[in-house]
Amino acid sequence: EVQLLESGGGLVQPGGSLRLSCAAYGFTFSSNAMSWVRQAPGRGLEWVSAISGSVGNTYYADSVKGRFTIARDNSKNTLYLQMNSLRAEDTAVYYCAKKGINSGSYLNLDYWGQGTLVTVSS
Amino acid sequence: QSVLTQPPSASGTPGQRVTISCSGSSSNIGSNTVNWYQHLPGTAPKLLIYSNNQRPSGVPDRFSGSKSGTSASLAISGLQSEDEADYYCAAWDDSLNGVFGGGTKLTVL
Repeated sequence: EVQLLESGGGLVQPGGSLRLSCAAYGFTFSSNAMSWVRQAPGRGLEWVSAISGSVGNTYYADSVKGRFTIARDNSKNTLYLQMNSLRAEDTAVYYCAKKGINSGSYLNLDYWGQGTLVTVSS
Repeated sequence: QSVLTQPPSASGTPGQRVTISCSGSSSNIGSNTVNWYQHLPGTAPKLLIYSNNQRPSGVPDRFSGSKSGTSASLAISGLQSEDEADYYCAAWDDSLNGVFGGGTKLTVL
C-alpha cells in the first residue's frame, strides 16, 4: 500500500527556515517523480515544486524560486523541501504527492500525504 | 489570481449532471494534459481524472473529463451528496511550472 507521511511543519518566524520531509512507502520511490503542493488558509491548491525520479531534475513555482529547495534521498525513500527566507504568505498545509506512472504530466499526482502545517508568524 | 480559471461555485440536486469548466492558455491546457482533483477539507486531495479523460482505478464512471483547445471540463452525472467537495483542475505549463485552477466548490442541494 502506498503511503506518504509528511513531517517537519511548525511555527517559524518570518525570515526563518524549515525543512519538511516526506517518507514514502509501498512503491519504488527512486522511479517516481514527486511534488510538493500547498494550500494556504481559505485558498486553493498551489503547486510548489517537483523533482524527477532518478535524474533529480527540479522545478519550482515562481513564488518560491530561490528560497525553497526540493531534494530526494532515494536510499532513504524520502523527499525533502528546504524552505528558507520564509514569509507570512508561505503559511499553508504542505502536501507531498507522487506522480502517476500513466502519464508524463507532473500534475498527474495519484497519491498524496495528509499534509503538514507550516505557520510563518512572529 | 490562478493561471487556470474555474467558476468559484457550482450546484445541483441529487441525480443531476453538473459540469465544471477550466480555462487556460496555449502554454498549459493547450499543449499539456489536464488533471482533476476532488478535495474535502482536512483530507488529502484525490485524483479523479488524468490525461484529460482517464479515470484512475476506483473512481466511479459518473466522473468524466474532456478537453478542447485551451479549455477543459469535468462532468459529474448522477450527483450524490458525497460529491459535495472542492474540485480543482491542474496542468503542467511550458514555462516549467505546475498550475492549478482556483477551485470550484460544489454544493449538492
